Amino acid sequence: DAGVIQSPRHEVTEMGQEVTLRCKPISGHDYLFWYRQTMMRGLELLIYFNNNVPIDDSGMPEDRFSAKMPNASFSTLKIQPSEPRDSAVYFCASGSRGGEVRTLSYGYTFGSGTRLTVV
Amino acid sequence: AQSVTQLGSHVSVSEGALVLLRCNYSSSVPPYLFWYVQYPNQGLQLLLKYTSAATLVKGINGFEAEFKKSETSFHLTKPSAHMSDAAEYFCAVSNTGFQKLVFGTGTRLLVSP
Repeated sequence: DAGVIQSPRHEVTEMGQEVTLRCKPISGHDYLFWYRQTMMRGLELLIYFNNNVPIDDSGMPEDRFSAKMPNASFSTLKIQPSEPRDSAVYFCASGSRGGEVRTLSYGYTFGSGTRLTVV
Repeated sequence: AQSVTQLGSHVSVSEGALVLLRCNYSSSVPPYLFWYVQYPNQGLQLLLKYTSAATLVKGINGFEAEFKKSETSFHLTKPSAHMSDAAEYFCAVSNTGFQKLVFGTGTRLLVSP
């Protein structure tokens, strides 16, 4: 199992450009989450999906942010246009409610993140 | 609304000393509680979780945490620190054990020789 795969690992872009972050969840997981981590605000949940359907997007900061999950093995987080204040590490996590809740295998698995710098 | 408060943004211990990282939670329903560890430039890794079973929860790498409802706490401990434990630790709460996790601000553990 390769885990949750995010790409790119690092992204540097100019203000005003479109940025697309990608995530491949663990096969068989039916939940997918996008988090943002900054020094000022810590870890924030942006949006999560269940069975490819967005369930809660209340954490998406504004209309410049959008997320899609066209199938069970792929999700994107898009920022258009990007701004310097969007600079952060963006994490994708996946999980499944199947299995024993008391085991550590139940719950989220995080990817290694995408470090976004908008200049 | 649920929240967690981690006391101390930095904790320093000597190798071999007791590790104690504090977490207090606020929840209107019986909570699910988690501790995650983050090493530099990596994602978060689950250490342990409380899911209303035993109040003393054992996790990976020798860590454990005790759920105390009367104190609304879920402190993380390890009897003897190792250099490899140096990382950032996050406490998190959920009202369903899944779905939305609310994280604390993190505590950076520094381990000196």
